[in-house]
Amino acid sequence: GAVVSQHPSWVICKSGTSVKIECRSLDFQATTMFWYRQFPKQSLMLMATSNEGSKATYEQGVEKDKFLINHASLTLSTLTVTSAHPEDSSFYICSARRGIGRVSYEQYFGPGTRLTVT
Amino acid sequence: AQKVTQAQTEISVVEKEDVTLDCVYETRDTTYYLFWYKQPPSGELVFLIRRNSFDEQNEISGRYSWNFQKSTSSFNFTITASQVVDSAVYFCALSEASGNSGGGADGLTFGKGTHLIIQP
Repeated sequence: GAVVSQHPSWVICKSGTSVKIECRSLDFQATTMFWYRQFPKQSLMLMATSNEGSKATYEQGVEKDKFLINHASLTLSTLTVTSAHPEDSSFYICSARRGIGRVSYEQYFGPGTRLTVT
Repeated sequence: AQKVTQAQTEISVVEKEDVTLDCVYETRDTTYYLFWYKQPPSGELVFLIRRNSFDEQNEISGRYSWNFQKSTSSFNFTITASQVVDSAVYFCALSEASGNSGGGADGLTFGKGTHLIIQP
């Protein structure tokens, strides 16, 4: 159990276009999902926290108008990179937290989406 | 603000040697969680262990062991009798139980990772 999927696994897009990445918890409900970004040979950086039915909370330095997050259901969160540019090329990883409240510390990571903007 | 430091950027050892990966963390919270993840070249994170701040017991799982010491804010990871398949990037991470996510654990703060190379 506790499987998280991401779609697509990789995508190449042209500069100026928008790209949507989906994160799904397949066998559990996730009231909270997290989005991370990882540049080549670097660490993962938390971008935003996504709570079902409410606005996402973005980390300092992350442009909320550029990285649109929607968490419309308990099993799906989407990240849309708007007007993508080559510097947005990165590995985007989501995680889903099972359960609610203080007992919910387990986060299950998706396999990641590699975005290349040409 | 929380911080995780993995001072070792890269470690290279010969197969069957023991190797320890260091992790030092900073947090103001009294309740927090510490993690280790393995990231092979495919990129997918592999969960290794979670420890909460109230549980300082060391843990052993096969060839893997973890040493959690609150007094030094460290959570080190040792691989005994290393194997080539252990080659990967290993991340230590910290999550506080506060903030934006309804009372549960927050998003993770990762260290920069240690690239472990096991030579045959």
